Amino acid sequence: QVQLQESGPGLVKPSETLSLTCTVSGYSISSGYYWGWIRQSPGKGLEWLESVYHTGTTYYNPSLESRVTTSVDTSSNQFSLKLSSVTAADTAVYYCARGGYTFHYFDYWGQGTLVTVSS
Amino acid sequence: EIVLTQSPATLSVSPGERATLSCRASQSVSSNLAWYQQKPGQAPRLFIYGASTRATGIPARFSGSGSGTEFTLTISSLQSEDFALYYCQQYNNWPRTFGQGTKVDIK
Repeated sequence: QVQLQESGPGLVKPSETLSLTCTVSGYSISSGYYWGWIRQSPGKGLEWLESVYHTGTTYYNPSLESRVTTSVDTSSNQFSLKLSSVTAADTAVYYCARGGYTFHYFDYWGQGTLVTVSS
Repeated sequence: EIVLTQSPATLSVSPGERATLSCRASQSVSSNLAWYQQKPGQAPRLFIYGASTRATGIPARFSGSGSGTEFTLTISSLQSEDFALYYCQQYNNWPRTFGQGTKVDIK
């Protein structure tokens, strides 16, 4: 059973960097698939942020590309998201999910973690 | 960026009735479209991929159709557990994009 679990601070100050980690169990992230981040602002829809392959190949949402970095740690079976210079508009529930290599829909999701940007 | 427009925003349906949700893409996405269900406080759950293939464990009352720019999710006979938000997502082009969602609520 593939499971994903987000972790990281629930509160980040404006202008600082949001850092989240997704721990995957039940599947080795180096075996394939893309691993992505999607967020959902309060009362709003879903926004895809980025997807990373275990080799490091990454696709970013252009709307956030200048502020987003990602990394993969295959030894820990984790991948991470960093979003710099955050503002209140970055307050959202952040989900990690598994995306297909060829067909990039998301078949497994973490439960999500709420990150609030506030001083 | 491909924009997905879902309609209606809210669909009020009685249990046992049929529900039809629409997703329109601003340009062709072939059959590279997925549907997700989301309930309050939960992560989205994959329901349909490839425009018409049900994901594992999804009941047969859910069906997807369409290709190109016009897609439909049909729930043949609504059950109480089907009242939720539904999102479409295209994976034909980067960036991946989602529709704004259709809420199916009880009439």
